[in-house]
Parts: sequence; C-alpha cells; structure tokens
Amino acid sequence: DAMVIQNPRYQVTQFGKPVTLSCSQTLNHNVMYWYQQKSSQAPKLLFHYYDKDFNNEADTPDNFQSRRPNTSFCFLDIRSPGLGDAAMYLCATSSDHPYEQYFGPGTRLTVT
Amino acid sequence: AQSVTQLGSHVSVSEGALVLLRCNYSSSVPPYLFWYVQYPNQGLQLLLKYTSAATLVKGINGFEAEFKKSETSFHLTKPSAHMSDAAEYFCAVSVIQGAQKLVFGQGTRLTINP
Repeated sequence: DAMVIQNPRYQVTQFGKPVTLSCSQTLNHNVMYWYQQKSSQAPKLLFHYYDKDFNNEADTPDNFQSRRPNTSFCFLDIRSPGLGDAAMYLCATSSDHPYEQYFGPGTRLTVT
Repeated sequence: AQSVTQLGSHVSVSEGALVLLRCNYSSSVPPYLFWYVQYPNQGLQLLLKYTSAATLVKGINGFEAEFKKSETSFHLTKPSAHMSDAAEYFCAVSVIQGAQKLVFGQGTRLTINP
C-alpha cells in the first residue's frame, strides 16, 4: 500500500545533541510537510517542500532545518535540541490536487 | 484569513449514543474542509473532506459531516458510538499558498463510556 513512513517511531536524544528524523513516501506526492505536535495540541506546521522549494514558517526556530534529497525522502534536523523540543513530529504529504494531506505515524522525540 | 473553531475540547458519550463534534470555520473564499482522527501515539488519519461537491459528506468508520454555508459549520456526526471511536478529532480548513496548508482547530477529545 502507498504510504508515508517515519523512522524511528521513538527517538531519545540528549540536550544539545543533534538529531535527525526521517520521512519517506511511496505516494509520489510533490509536497512534503513537517509538523510539531505537543501534548493535547493541534499539529503546528514547521515547514514544507513544494517540489524542491523549501518554505519555512515565520515562527519556526532556526534550530530546525530540513532536507529533501529526492521526491521520496525528507529529513528533519534539530541542531541543538532543548527540553522544549520534546514532542511528536509528524510528516505529511500532498499533491496539488486533491488537497488532502496524508500523515505518517509520527516520531516521538524525548530530550533528556 | 481562514480559521477553525472546535466547540468543546472534550466530549463524552455513551456507547451506542449519537456522536456530535462541532466545527465552525472562517474563510474568505469557498473552503475545503477536513476532519482528521488521531489515536494515541499515531499520526492523523483522514475521516472525510468537503471540496464543494455534495454538502453531506460521508467518511470512514460511519462518520459523516454536513457543510452549512449559512452557519459556517462543518459538524461531524456518527449515529451510534463505538468504543473504538475514542480518539482526538481535528477539524481543518485548507489554505492555498503555493502548496496547500491546513489550519487546524484545537481538537476535541472523544471519550466513549461503556
């Protein structure tokens, strides 16, 4: 089945130690998104790639970066994780039409 | 600017009872509207979507929603709740800025009582 895959599902990192989360998709969608979701809150969009074009949300901290080496893969890099970055990170994809987004299962990040 | 308000952060119903989760939107253009469900420690799953076709939209797991332009509402209903419906539900409106973006409501946690 076509899907969005996130690895790992659970990630523990130390305060200040760089961490990378990965997302892959078999849907061949041209848009990929990264969201941060904290407990009991709605997902918050960090950035998205429209094809190869990177689009950062205005309030996304510089500590968060992303890479999209090809259509199928997208990475979220957190350069110096703080305790406040502990959250669920969700990857999603969409095409130009229809407009629904397809979400991966998420990676739960713990910062110790 | 588009926005979504979900009335009630927590809703509790008995098994077999009607489920009604409320969503009101604000949009300057005809909206695309979505309902997503999220189970614990999982991603969001699309329940249903409104894209300006039929105003009554049927989704998965027996859920449906009715788009009412006059009331700017898109409430989610299910005639008979099942224990497996316990989850977090998010209403969202689509914003097209180059790519599509979703503006989410704050979510409603649905609890099912046996």
